[in-house]
Amino acid sequence: QKEVEQNSGPLSVPEGAIASLNCTYSDRGSQSFFWYRQYSGKSPELIMFIYSNGDKEDGRFTAQLNKASQYVSLLIRDSQPSDSATYLCAVSRTGTYKYIFGTGTRLKVLA
Amino acid sequence: EPEVTQTPSHQVTQMGQEVILRCVPISNHLYFYWYRQILGQKVEFLVSFYNNEISEKSEIFDDQFSVERPDGSNFTLKIRSTKLEDSAMYFCASSTSGSSYEQYFGPGTRLTVT
Repeated sequence: QKEVEQNSGPLSVPEGAIASLNCTYSDRGSQSFFWYRQYSGKSPELIMFIYSNGDKEDGRFTAQLNKASQYVSLLIRDSQPSDSATYLCAVSRTGTYKYIFGTGTRLKVLA
Repeated sequence: EPEVTQTPSHQVTQMGQEVILRCVPISNHLYFYWYRQILGQKVEFLVSFYNNEISEKSEIFDDQFSVERPDGSNFTLKIRSTKLEDSAMYFCASSTSGSSYEQYFGPGTRLTVT
């Protein structure tokens, strides 16, 4: 079983729609969850982090965490073509320094 | 906005040669990391560094790899004898604290081993 799983996509949504990206993780000791955006050939850019169950909103982005289901998601409202990128889910266990990354979901926002 | 910087952006080396990748973390950050990403694959943790010593390393980070903070600003990754399979993007990251705190990534160094 992979430690952090994401659907590789591509996930195609029309401009202005809500994009929903999902991530599951296997380690129940995971405590911190991060979403990074990675454009092709570029480095990961942190866009959201969440530590507690529930929703966390920042502008057009909402991260949702359900530790019981070992599930974290990212919603992007009013999607723009510039949001087209690969979205990486990263998970960290308290007491360790490393992030475990998923393989990423490629999002395509169609103009 | 402060950011992590890395040099060089692209390094080409021959198999068996030593390479040093350089990073300048964000100035008030105390924890430093190296990750790598082989083309088309996921980002993988290599090592974390705090207070001038390695705090955690992965199985990838074997005796061929070493890290150093030679002065108050630079953080380096050395690969002693490069192999073809070391070809990847290497990302430096830093955070204000360890464990669960947010890590900010530099632009990366593309290492090509021929």
